[in-house]
Amino acid sequence: EDKVVQSPLSLVVHEGDTVTLNCSYEVTNFRSLLWYKQEKKAPTFLFMLTSSGIEKKSGRLSSILDKKELFSILNITATQTGDSAIYLCAVSTGGFKTIFGAGTRLFVKA
Amino acid sequence: DGGITQSPKYLFRKEGQNVTLSCEQNLNHDAMYWYRQDPGQGLRLIYYSQIVNDFQKGDIAEGYSVSREKKESFPLTVTSAQKNPTAFYLCASLDHGERLNEAFFGQGTRLTVV
Repeated sequence: EDKVVQSPLSLVVHEGDTVTLNCSYEVTNFRSLLWYKQEKKAPTFLFMLTSSGIEKKSGRLSSILDKKELFSILNITATQTGDSAIYLCAVSTGGFKTIFGAGTRLFVKA
Repeated sequence: DGGITQSPKYLFRKEGQNVTLSCEQNLNHDAMYWYRQDPGQGLRLIYYSQIVNDFQKGDIAEGYSVSREKKESFPLTVTSAQKNPTAFYLCASLDHGERLNEAFFGQGTRLTVV
C-alpha cells in the first residue's frame, strides 16, 4: 500500500528559529515528491522534487530529496509568524495518483 | 465514515463535449476546492467555494464551471472551451474554523479526451 508519512505532526517554535520537517514515503512507481503550504484557504505549492541530492530553494525555505532512503526534508530558516501553517508532503506516482501525508502543523510564536 | 468522494475514477470525453465531475463530502466542511494536476506538475487551483451558493475562480478557471447548491456537493463541469482537459482532477474540502485544519482530498478523477 502506498503511503506518505510526515513528522512531527505538530511543532511550536519561536520567531527566528530554524525548523526541519520530515517526509518519508513508500510507493510504487515514484514520480515526484511535492511540498505544499496550507493556511486557511487552499494549499499552495512550494516545491517539486524528482532527483536525489538537488536542493530546491525559495527564500527562507529549502527542500531536498533522498530517493535511496525514501525521504525528504523541508527546512525553514529564521521563521516568522507568517510561516504558521500546515505543510503537506505529497508523492506523485505513475497514473497521476498523488498520495498526501497528514501534514505537519507549524505554529510560530512571536 | 466521514470522507470526500469523487466520481468517476476515470472519465473519457470526446472533443466538444461537456463533462461533469462529482465531488461529495460528509465532513460538514464549509470550504471545497477543485485542483488540476498535469504530469510533472503540482496541484493548480481551478475553483473554490467557501460557503454554499458562493464560489471563486482559482488560477486556471477558464473552460471550467462549478456550482455549490448544497454544502455536501461541489461538482465541476469541464466545458468544450477547455482546450486541454486531459489531466488528473482532485477535489478537497476544509473546515473553516479558527484553527488550522488538515485538508481532505478525494482520490481524484482522471479525465482523458479521446
